[in-house]
Amino acid sequence: GEDVEQSLFLSVREGDSSVINCTYTDSSSTYLYWYKQEPGAGLQLLTYIFSNMDMKQDQRLTVLLNKKDKHLSLRIADTQTGDSAIYFCAESNQGGKLIFGQGTELSVKP
Amino acid sequence: EAGVAQSPRYKIIEKRQSVAFWCNPISGHATLYWYQQILGQGPKLLIQFQNNGVVDDSQLPKDRFSAERLKGVDSTLKIQPAKLEDSAVYLCASSLEGTSAEQFFGPGTRLTVL
Repeated sequence: GEDVEQSLFLSVREGDSSVINCTYTDSSSTYLYWYKQEPGAGLQLLTYIFSNMDMKQDQRLTVLLNKKDKHLSLRIADTQTGDSAIYFCAESNQGGKLIFGQGTELSVKP
Repeated sequence: EAGVAQSPRYKIIEKRQSVAFWCNPISGHATLYWYQQILGQGPKLLIQFQNNGVVDDSQLPKDRFSAERLKGVDSTLKIQPAKLEDSAVYLCASSLEGTSAEQFFGPGTRLTVL
């Protein structure tokens, strides 16, 4: 079946790099995503990667995909207090339906 | 470009009452999704529309939940009657097509069932 797993919490110091990890089970995933959710807000699409890529960089964000191990990571360089939020990993199949992990709460301490 | 609009933002009802949520997707987006996000969990798909047709409603509790997208634009999601476990945030999302990579979310409607 389809399942996405993430660790629940991550705490870093301002200026450090954050790495949020995710594993998934569906080998037919088309795209893999990272969404950000701030308190009381909807989901903001941060970045996504096509399943035949292994890396994507977008400013401070780097996504790494290990398709063999079904492992996805999001690295945030120079983490700021404004990056504090819940980060969701998600996968989609050809139909477009998103399967989300339970979210990783990132806490950035000054 | 305007984003996905949802209303109301908050709703409090008692169990066994009915409630309806409204969503207006991004203009031109053919695919519309309703997700349920229970506190502390990731969103779960309830129903997916392609224009005014249902693509996937396998996770929709059809004994109490219904949704429609009559003209292929706006959509409403209804719960009748509500149960305590329906307390959640209901998120609407849209994309150009079901195969599009980018799916954009609205701010959600937070439902509390007492």
